[in-house]
Amino acid sequence: DARVTQTPRDKVTEMGQEVTMRCQPILGHNTVFWYRQTMMQGLELLAYFRNRAPLDDSGMPKDRFSAEMPDATLATLKIQPSEPRDSAVYFCASGGGNYGYTFGSGTRLTVV
Amino acid sequence: TQLLEQSPQFLSIQEGENLTVYCNSSSVFSSLQWYRQEPGEGPVLLVTVVTGGEVKKLKRLTFQFGDARKDSSLHITAAQPGDTGLYLCAGGSSIQGAQKLVFGQGTRLTINP
Repeated sequence: DARVTQTPRDKVTEMGQEVTMRCQPILGHNTVFWYRQTMMQGLELLAYFRNRAPLDDSGMPKDRFSAEMPDATLATLKIQPSEPRDSAVYFCASGGGNYGYTFGSGTRLTVV
Repeated sequence: TQLLEQSPQFLSIQEGENLTVYCNSSSVFSSLQWYRQEPGEGPVLLVTVVTGGEVKKLKRLTFQFGDARKDSSLHITAAQPGDTGLYLCAGGSSIQGAQKLVFGQGTRLTINP
C-alpha cells in the first residue's frame, strides 16, 4: 500500500532549538496538508499545498513556523525557535485530487 | 471560522450494542469525511459523503450526510471490540481544487468484551 512517510517519528528538543519535520507524500498526490494534534485542541490545520504552492498557512504562528515543498517528493515544517507549547503530534497528509486523504504516522514533538 | 462539534466525546459500551456518533456544524460543507485513529497512528479515512442526504454503508457502519450538508452521523450496529478507537469527522471546503478539511474534536469509543 502507498504510504505517507514522516520523519522523525519522535523528537525531543530543548526550548529555543530549531526543529525540522519532513514528509514524503504519496507519489502522484498533489495536495499536502500539515496538521497538529493535541489533547486540548484536537487536529488543527497548519498549512496546505497544492501542486507545491502554498494555498493557506493561516493556521501557523508565522513568527516561528514555516512550511515548504522544495519538490514534489518532500514537504517540510520548521519551527525556529521551538517553545514548550509547540509540543504535539504533527501529521502530514496527502491527497490526489479526490476527496480522500492519507495521513502519515506523525512526528511526536516534545520541547523541554 | 468553520467549527464541527462531535458528540458524544466519550462512549463506552458493551460488545453487541448499537451506537450513533453525531457531527454538527452551522456551516455548509462540500464534503464530509469520517476517519478512525488508533493510538500512535494517523487518522485513516473510512468514508466520504458529498451529497446532501447521502447514506453510505461500510459493513456494520452506516454514514449519513444531512440534507443541508451541515451535519453527519455514524451508526455502528452490533459493536465489536475491534471498533474501539477515536472517530473523527472532517468537513471539506473546496478551495482552488483542493478540499480544505476542518476536523471535529473526535469521539473516543471503547467497546468492552
